[in-house]
Order: sequence, then structure tokens, then C-alpha cells
Amino acid sequence: DTGVSQNPRHKITKRGQNVTFRCDPISEHNRLYWYRQTLGQGPEFLTYFQNEAQLEKSRLLSDRFSAERPKGSFSTLEIQRTEQGDSAMYLCASSSPVLDYEQYFGPGTRLTVT
Amino acid sequence: GQQLNQSPQSMFIQEGEDVSMNCTSSSIFNTWLWYKQDPGEGPVLLIALYKAGELTSNGRLTAQFGITRKDSFLNISASIPSDVGIYFCAGRLSGAGSYQLTFGKGTKLSVIP
Repeated sequence: DTGVSQNPRHKITKRGQNVTFRCDPISEHNRLYWYRQTLGQGPEFLTYFQNEAQLEKSRLLSDRFSAERPKGSFSTLEIQRTEQGDSAMYLCASSSPVLDYEQYFGPGTRLTVT
Repeated sequence: GQQLNQSPQSMFIQEGEDVSMNCTSSSIFNTWLWYKQDPGEGPVLLIALYKAGELTSNGRLTAQFGITRKDSFLNISASIPSDVGIYFCAGRLSGAGSYQLTFGKGTKLSVIP
């Protein structure tokens, strides 16, 4: 049973560039979440999908951020016109239809904007 | 936004000692979860709690869902070096109809062999 996977694990980009991250949830998990974590803080919620429907978005998700889950399986998170303040760990989690409050996290993508 | 107050921020203990940490909030939560995170990795789920007063164990770890539904506690017995890491509490707000988790800032645990 494979866990949540995320790619890439690390991304260094220049300010103003666009970046895209991918998350593959645990198979048969219908709910998928994105969080952001900065140094010394706990993860902060960004957005949540149930199957392919995006049901919640945090105020942290500015208009430069967009997330998709087109077929209800993997998800992508895109950040346009990156800023230095976007530097963080981006975490993906998934949960099953049965134990839907137990969220299982992937290893994260560390983004550094220079 | 909502905040969970987690304490202590950090602790240094001798191998073999027991550890206690807690999480409090001014709001009511209907689910509490405890995670452990190693450097450069994602949080790993340790224990999930669903009912007020619930006491749940996972090996040497024991967690409790406070009666007021505004707090939770995690105890680790007979600590070992691999217990080193950052422990996070997380909760789901009651009545919000939301699946998002609110996290504390973490307790950094160091174990001295």
C-alpha cells in the first residue's frame, strides 16, 4: 500500500516564474487536501477536493494559486508569478471515504523562490 | 484565523523518561489528531480522537480528547532516541461543515541518550 506521493520534492525558482506541483493520493482516497507550511509553523490549510470537486478554499489561496483534480485522482497546485513569500513546504494529504477525518500526508514539495 | 496553543514549544528529556504535551483552544473541536514530523518530511499520523473524554493508545503513545472539547493531551512513555521530532496537534472545528484541519505550532522533542 503506497502512501501519498508528491513531485518534485524540491523546487528552486526565480521570482516571477510559474511553478506546478503534483500530488498522487493513496488509491481509493476520494478526498485530497493541500496545505502550506513555513519554518517553525504548523501546516496551514489551502484547499480541499472531494473527488474532482474543489469544495473549500482558504483566504491564503490568492488568485495566483490554482489547484485542480481533473479526474478525481492526482492533483496539481500551480503558483503563478511566484514571490519570495511563497517559499514554503507545500504538503498534500488524502483521506478515505470511511475514516474521512484522518488525513495522511505526503513528503511535501519544498519551494524556494530566489 | 483559529489557533491551537500547543505547549511546551520544546523539551529536552533523558532517554527512558515519560513526556507530556498538550494543546488548547478557545473553540470547540469535534476531532483531534496528533502527528509527528521529521525534518524535511511530511507529518505522520499517530493518533486520532473522535469523542470527548476518549483515551486512545498507540504503543507507547497515549492521547486524550478533553471533556470540554477544547483541549487534548499526548503522552509518550519510556522515550527512545527515535521519538525525536516535532509533534503537532490538529483539530477539526465543530459545526463548521469543513474538512480542513487547524494545526498547532508544534512541540519539538529532543531525547538525550
